[in-house]
Amino acid sequence: AQSVSQHNHHVILSEAASLELGCNYSYGGTVNLFWYVQYPGQHLQLLLKYFSGDPLVKGIKGFEAEFIKSKFSFNLRKPSVQWSDTAEYFCALAPGNAGNMLTFGGGTRLMVKP
Amino acid sequence: DAGVIQSPRHEVTEMGQEVTLRCKPISGHDYLFWYRQTMMRGLELLIYFNNNVPIDDSGMPEDRFSAKMPNASFSTLKIQPSEPRDSAVYFCASSSQTLGNTIYFGEGSWLTVV
Repeated sequence: AQSVSQHNHHVILSEAASLELGCNYSYGGTVNLFWYVQYPGQHLQLLLKYFSGDPLVKGIKGFEAEFIKSKFSFNLRKPSVQWSDTAEYFCALAPGNAGNMLTFGGGTRLMVKP
Repeated sequence: DAGVIQSPRHEVTEMGQEVTLRCKPISGHDYLFWYRQTMMRGLELLIYFNNNVPIDDSGMPEDRFSAKMPNASFSTLKIQPSEPRDSAVYFCASSSQTLGNTIYFGEGSWLTVV
């Protein structure tokens, strides 16, 4: 069975700081990887996804993530965060042959101080 | 596109009462998912349907929970009888295997059982 680990449960940054949120997964086969964001009181929205090809994926709002197969990682990055990035971020995995079956990590709560 | 539509958005009910949550997936999507989100357990997949047929209900916590999808545009998640530990946000989501497999979430139903 697959699993996703997000080791940082809470992150606090000042505006303009750089962000990197860790995501590691466990699965023996081909994977599809996702980052979702959940703003306070709202539903989950897709930030970016990796299915195949270039391991550096660019998403909305200036976010990017890099798939490193050898490290089983898919870390999320943003060079300069804004107060409006305050949210909870979820990494998720789907097996390559079952792209709809998402397994989520525990989430990372990001607070950006103005 | 209206997105995934859920109702009610908020519900407060007394222990022992029946609760019915409703979902209208995005038109044309052939997968529908029910997730539950709590502080303690994060996001959990309860059940998912493909072409209106339940495929995997192993995440349904117990027999008090049931889900149906009578047609491609409607699904329900029912809890009978409800208990305080069922208090959570319940998300419905849908996706299309032929349109890239991205899962789109509804805005959630916030359930409080007192």
